[in-house]
Amino acid sequence: AQKITQTQPGMFVQEKEAVTLDCTYDTSDQSYGLFWYKQPSSGEMIFLIYQGSYDEQNATEGRYSLNFQKARKSANLVISASQLGDSAMYFCAMREGNTDKLIFGTGTRLQVFP
Amino acid sequence: SAVISQKPSRDICQRGTSLTIQCQVDSQVTMMFWYRQQPGQSLTLIATANQGSEATYESGFVIDKFPISRPNLTFSTLTVSNMSPEDSSIYLCSVEGQEPEAFFGQGTRLTVV
Repeated sequence: AQKITQTQPGMFVQEKEAVTLDCTYDTSDQSYGLFWYKQPSSGEMIFLIYQGSYDEQNATEGRYSLNFQKARKSANLVISASQLGDSAMYFCAMREGNTDKLIFGTGTRLQVFP
Repeated sequence: SAVISQKPSRDICQRGTSLTIQCQVDSQVTMMFWYRQQPGQSLTLIATANQGSEATYESGFVIDKFPISRPNLTFSTLTVSNMSPEDSSIYLCSVEGQEPEAFFGQGTRLTVV
């Protein structure tokens, strides 16, 4: 079974608008971490935001926020006030409590248009 | 946050040859990770490298094809051996810092012809 599911292969958003990128996960662990990374065309992986399974509040980092719904096992990324430079691939990832490795979803390609 | 220098950034190699990718971190880290990202795909973990012990390989990856060295707490290499066009991918090294997130190098974009 897929551990991390990103159902949106591609998304379009107009500049200055907000966009939500979906991510659902599957784990039986009580302790886990959820991550979002941005990958521009250059190929580097840029860390955006982290949510721990025990964190009661949704994580926020500047224009990025993570809509964490534990019962639904979803960890959607919300980007507010989109910018042209936000155009990139976005990956959701999970680290389960008993391992150190990250498991990645298939990614969502976001394109921001003027 | 850790700063990771990975090189080469890209290379074009002949099939049957080998390429060694280097990953240098600006601080001591216990674990280093090597990922592969095939064209249009997500990242897949190849192996975890601890200093002073053999790397731990994920299912589908073997030491003969992807030998890894970890001579100290700030450096690791991944070799892609006897390359074929199917090895054309981005290879990324990653480390964990004090914070929970993993930091990545800039990646090595490998094309095998």
